[in-house]
Amino acid sequence: QKEVEQNSGPLSVPEGAIASLNCTYSDRGSQSFFWYRQYSGKSPELIMSIYSNGDKEDGRFTAQLNKASQYVSLLIRDSQPSDSATYLCAVNNGGTYKYIFGTGTRLKVLA
Amino acid sequence: GAVVSQHPSWVICKSGTSVKIECRSLDFQATTMFWYRQFPKQSLMLMATSNEGSKATYEQGVEKDKFLINHASLTLSTLTVTSAHPEDSSFYICSASRLAGSTDTQYFGPGTRLTVL
Repeated sequence: QKEVEQNSGPLSVPEGAIASLNCTYSDRGSQSFFWYRQYSGKSPELIMSIYSNGDKEDGRFTAQLNKASQYVSLLIRDSQPSDSATYLCAVNNGGTYKYIFGTGTRLKVLA
Repeated sequence: GAVVSQHPSWVICKSGTSVKIECRSLDFQATTMFWYRQFPKQSLMLMATSNEGSKATYEQGVEKDKFLINHASLTLSTLTVTSAHPEDSSFYICSASRLAGSTDTQYFGPGTRLTVL
């Protein structure tokens, strides 16, 4: 069973702090990795994708990938209350277009 | 770019009726479209994968005769919930896969909230 694991949270951080969200995956053949944000009652929206080891930065967001450890993370700098949402990690092994989603981590940014 | 629309955004129907939900990729041609279902406070559940001109591939446990999927073009897929019952009430979300170079990315529609009375 190919799995993607996330801590369900909630992860609570004060406004302005760095939020660190983590995800591990079981399929070593995974090639593409995605972070989606989902507000309550809404559909997921893509934040970032990452394909190679290392860091990828986009504004306040940094995705980190370590294929050897089968680990991908998302850092949110200067967290804002508007960042409060559930963050979904998704993985694709390149064999099909199907993604395996984690169950999500709920983030609460406290004002 | 990469906008996906869904229609309707919400629907209320009586038990036993059928409901059709449309998913369109507005500014790109989708290699593949996906249908998900999400119950309150639960994670996304993939129902089926849909490719233009071919039969959908359903996930284990999803009744293909109940959830009919038609993928008419590279920009349109429809999900029909046949003979809906209250337990089918859920948030149905489609996504469309856009291929850029050698990588593909799923973009989600806004979802359709179905309530069956």
